[in-house]
Amino acid sequence: ETGVTQSPTHLIKTRGQQVTLRCSSQSGHNTVSWYQQALGQGPQFIFQYYREEENGRGNFPPRFSGLQFPNYSSELNVNALELDDSALYLCASSYSGTSAHNEQFFGPGTRLTVL
Amino acid sequence: AQSVAQPEDQVNVAEGNPLTVKCTYSVSGNPYLFWYVQYPNRGLQFLLKYITGDNLVKGSYGFEAEFNKSQTSFHLKKPSALVSDSALYFCAVRDLRNTPLVFGKGTRLSVIA
Repeated sequence: ETGVTQSPTHLIKTRGQQVTLRCSSQSGHNTVSWYQQALGQGPQFIFQYYREEENGRGNFPPRFSGLQFPNYSSELNVNALELDDSALYLCASSYSGTSAHNEQFFGPGTRLTVL
Repeated sequence: AQSVAQPEDQVNVAEGNPLTVKCTYSVSGNPYLFWYVQYPNRGLQFLLKYITGDNLVKGSYGFEAEFNKSQTSFHLKKPSALVSDSALYFCAVRDLRNTPLVFGKGTRLSVIA
């Protein structure tokens, strides 16, 4: 098991609602990335936060937004939920330094169902 | 832009036999390659990575992967499969340090006793 935790485990929302997902990074890590994994697909990059600033974004609309806090924990917020937002949302933490390609450590994910 | 292809949706192998899960990639610069495994209702678990150096990379649980630059491949291998290896395997690539990973669609490995 990694030291990355996510909450809640499962969530059911209806179309148009808003949702906040939470992630606690592994100790010593300063970077958090969020991924969306639709059923039968590989994870798709949403965005990354480094030192509380967004540090890269994938092909997701602005209604997907995030935050990183001073303790490096993070939130993913999704507004105006659509049916296609139903997926497993994965948080990954890593250490971004001046050298090395440090692997990302993933949390167990939050399963979001939009009805 | 980077991309990863995992040409097999499903791989079946008998317990004790060698296994191979295939991955090919496309990047504009030097590739940095990773394999992750996902068990049911779990997040992704890191297996191994290739950054530079020896083309044969050894990882967790007896897995290894061979980097082949001319064929742009990074196939995952294990000499003797276990039933407990049954899971979903993802290959991922990045072309710069600390940039997001680009994942393949995944290959479901089924090891039959």
